[in-house]
Amino acid sequence: GDSVTQMEGPVTLSEEAFLTINCTYTATGYPSLFWYVQYPGEGLQLLLKATKADDKGSNKGFEATYRKETTSFHLEKGSVQVSDSAVYFCALSALDSGYSTLTFGKGTMLLVSP
Amino acid sequence: ETGVTQTPRHLVMGMTNKKSLKCEQHLGHNAMYWYKQSAKKPLELMFVYNFKEQTENNSVPSRFSPECPNSSHLFLHLHTLQPEDSALYLCASSLTAGGATNIQYFGAGTRLSVL
Repeated sequence: GDSVTQMEGPVTLSEEAFLTINCTYTATGYPSLFWYVQYPGEGLQLLLKATKADDKGSNKGFEATYRKETTSFHLEKGSVQVSDSAVYFCALSALDSGYSTLTFGKGTMLLVSP
Repeated sequence: ETGVTQTPRHLVMGMTNKKSLKCEQHLGHNAMYWYKQSAKKPLELMFVYNFKEQTENNSVPSRFSPECPNSSHLFLHLHTLQPEDSALYLCASSLTAGGATNIQYFGAGTRLSVL
């Protein structure tokens, strides 16, 4: 079945540091890929997405590129802020019997200190 | 504010209680989902409704009973739960359940503790 693997957290960074959170996936066919973010006490919010190979999703300074050859969708940000502290989930969406379902990774907690 | 509202935000119940979780979406979507989020585990999809019809039941125990009276409302009825059912229950909605590019919008969740 489909699966998503994320790096274990927590990732601890100082403000303005460069961020990379690795994500690799296993899927049949051509899934869409997503990054969701969960701030403390809240639900998941879509951060960015990519629907086909070589697409780059971007939002709020975060970027991720859909790499079919390496089955990866790594999340990057050039300069993190304290307000970026949250849990980040990589996910894929694929059609199954005509319906799309999201498969999530376990999440990576990011802690940014001033 | 994502347009998906869950109530209550917190719930403590005994193993013999019966309670219900409620989810309401104001986005005009036709698909709604229940997920279970436990510590150190990926989100688990529990149920999917598309145009009020249940399309997915991921081998969820019968002590969890979903109800979708219309496309805007989704309930999760709980009875005789076990302590291992303690988790954050998330509701989500999307335009439809078909199409791999559909974005799911999540509520803030109900934090359930079973004593």
